[in-house]
Amino acid sequence: GAVVSQHPSRVICKSGTSVKIECRSLDFQATTMFWYRQFPKQSLMLMATSNEGSKATYEQGVEKDKFLINHASLTLSTLTVTSAHPEDSSFYICSAPREGVRGSNQPQHFGDGTRLSIL
Amino acid sequence: AQKITQTQPGMFVQEKEAVTLDCTYDTSDPSYGLFWYKQPSSGEMIFLIYQGSYDQQNATEGRYSLNFQKARKSANLVISASQLGDSAMYFCAMREGIANAGGTSYGKLTFGQGTILTVHP
Repeated sequence: GAVVSQHPSRVICKSGTSVKIECRSLDFQATTMFWYRQFPKQSLMLMATSNEGSKATYEQGVEKDKFLINHASLTLSTLTVTSAHPEDSSFYICSAPREGVRGSNQPQHFGDGTRLSIL
Repeated sequence: AQKITQTQPGMFVQEKEAVTLDCTYDTSDPSYGLFWYKQPSSGEMIFLIYQGSYDQQNATEGRYSLNFQKARKSANLVISASQLGDSAMYFCAMREGIANAGGTSYGKLTFGQGTILTVHP
């Protein structure tokens, strides 16, 4: 079963709306979570690293004020797309690595993604 | 510079035949991990197989095997006995610096461009 839950799976809203996407680790604690953005038939591009109890680390070119990340607990990270516009329409997907000693072969567990459409 | 390169935008294979999806990588870190994920049209990322930089043998998971050639920095995915359900986008990914002083590992993944695999009946 799923170990990372992401909600909502799909959002359609008007331009100017702020949209919050949640990413939860279901049966493990994640001090770190990652947020990716993916355009159709393209690769996943890392947007930011969400750190529990501290500020997120954003990748170059990602607007911090546009994409607000909050990692409020060891099992929950949220991405808020503020004042969304049509160019923000994309597939957003989170992941959380299951951390542990010598866990180098632990795959990152992904949520099922959120398809965001801004009209 | 691109750290993970998948040079095949699309691949076609006949059902029940084997197919190889190419992946090359670039890193100066001696400690890294290589992953393959499958992404069907529904969007979820499905973990397939992992190869660690220190692993002596090629990884295998059922019909999936990883042809790891460290000197050439390649980590090709081999899918044997292709099935119609294998049609999807496939991503190669790398995680660098996987071991820190505490022995834990949770670095970010860098993905290749992806390969769309189509399995024909």
